[in-house]
Amino acid sequence: DTAVSQTPKYLVTQMGNDKSIKCEQNLGHDTMYWYKQDSKKFLKIMFSYNNKELIINETVPNRFSPKSPDKAHLNLHINSLELGDSAVYFCASSQLLHTEAFFGQGTRLTVV
Amino acid sequence: AQSVTQPDIHITVSEGASLELRCNYSYGATPYLFWYVQSPGQGLQLLLKYFSGDTLVQGIKGFEAEFKRSQSSFNLRKPSVHWSDAAEYFCAVGDGNQGGKLIFGQGTELSVKP
Repeated sequence: DTAVSQTPKYLVTQMGNDKSIKCEQNLGHDTMYWYKQDSKKFLKIMFSYNNKELIINETVPNRFSPKSPDKAHLNLHINSLELGDSAVYFCASSQLLHTEAFFGQGTRLTVV
Repeated sequence: AQSVTQPDIHITVSEGASLELRCNYSYGATPYLFWYVQSPGQGLQLLLKYFSGDTLVQGIKGFEAEFKRSQSSFNLRKPSVHWSDAAEYFCAVGDGNQGGKLIFGQGTELSVKP
């Protein structure tokens, strides 16, 4: 009964490949997010979706494409992976735009 | 621009000692403030939040934080630290006007000595 779950937990892939990370929340929240945590543990928002509508795209390269098939899911597809994409990616959700966010366990992406 | 500063990158305390982690923010309006904890290899868990009202807020695991508008601070405290509190702590400000995004501080790594 995990609140925010994302798969896979670990992802190792070669440069140039395309990969996807899936996220699902069972909290009934309207807003979902993707955050990136770099090697220095700094967390920065990438995308925010409210009721399946994109409301934040924080100057992320267009190789990153979020997809929200419904309010409970927000997937992240990454094309042409680069070494610099190596990071931990966190999915999160919140009930309203200013309330607390609940985070998934993270996906550690390693590009070799 | 909104920002959050956690001045201490790494803090070491002895088990049973008190703890205070500092957080300063820059935000134009009344902020929504949060403290999250991240254990190694884990996601972020919410410790506590401040939206309005009483400036001293209680959270889980015995943590509390005090909002001081005059100092633009939201420091996290615990009277007696346990070894299991060793983790990374993040302060964040929420911006409901910008899609609900959280702006995080750099994090403070807490080590606990036996």
